[in-house]
Amino acid sequence: EIVLTQSPGTLSLSPGERATLSCRASQSVSSSYLAWYQQKPGQAPRLLIYGASSRATGIPDRFSGSGSGTDFTLTISRLEPEDFAVYYCQQYGREYTFGQGTKLEIK
Amino acid sequence: QVQLVQSGAEVKKPGASVKVSCKASGYTFTSYGISWVRQAPGQGLEWMGWISAYNGNTNYAQKLQGRVTMTTDTSTSTAYMELRSLRSDDTAVYYCARVRVGFDPWGQGTLVTVSS
Repeated sequence: EIVLTQSPGTLSLSPGERATLSCRASQSVSSSYLAWYQQKPGQAPRLLIYGASSRATGIPDRFSGSGSGTDFTLTISRLEPEDFAVYYCQQYGREYTFGQGTKLEIK
Repeated sequence: QVQLVQSGAEVKKPGASVKVSCKASGYTFTSYGISWVRQAPGQGLEWMGWISAYNGNTNYAQKLQGRVTMTTDTSTSTAYMELRSLRSDDTAVYYCARVRVGFDPWGQGTLVTVSS
């Protein structure tokens, strides 16, 4: 099983700042089959990024993904108030596993 | 629009079974698989398994092998997840999601509470 480790566990930033979230895999993720999701309290997760760097339909361009192999990053270029949420990475190259999540909170 | 609508909340006793439904609309049901994911209170996301809506092939998480069964009814574009021998640590919100490149979209979630 591929284990995904996200860091930091909690990130405290202010609106307008840049957020950088990390996801590290225990083995190489084939063909960059890595996705990112956003989850707000009481809601289902929403797909943000797939294929490590492709934005899902309707996702603002302030969200970007990068990385390959075992190291991946989600960047939010300029935080909006609605971006404060929990973010999960997921690999879908070999079955499916999720990271434990990063909580992005308002400083 | 593409939508997955799940059945309502359930309360079950330990040892019982639960069956959650997920009705799809807005796309050709048999063209995509469905995955099930659960989230215990205050915890992260746990993948439970996947079913092909095309031919019914399944792949279950090892942890749940023997207790979970996923099925589809193509006549109603509905997927089902049955979990047996329920325990208190099965208390969670259960989500279905269409499988493409990643999971998109997700159902609204079904809270299953296991309590004596």
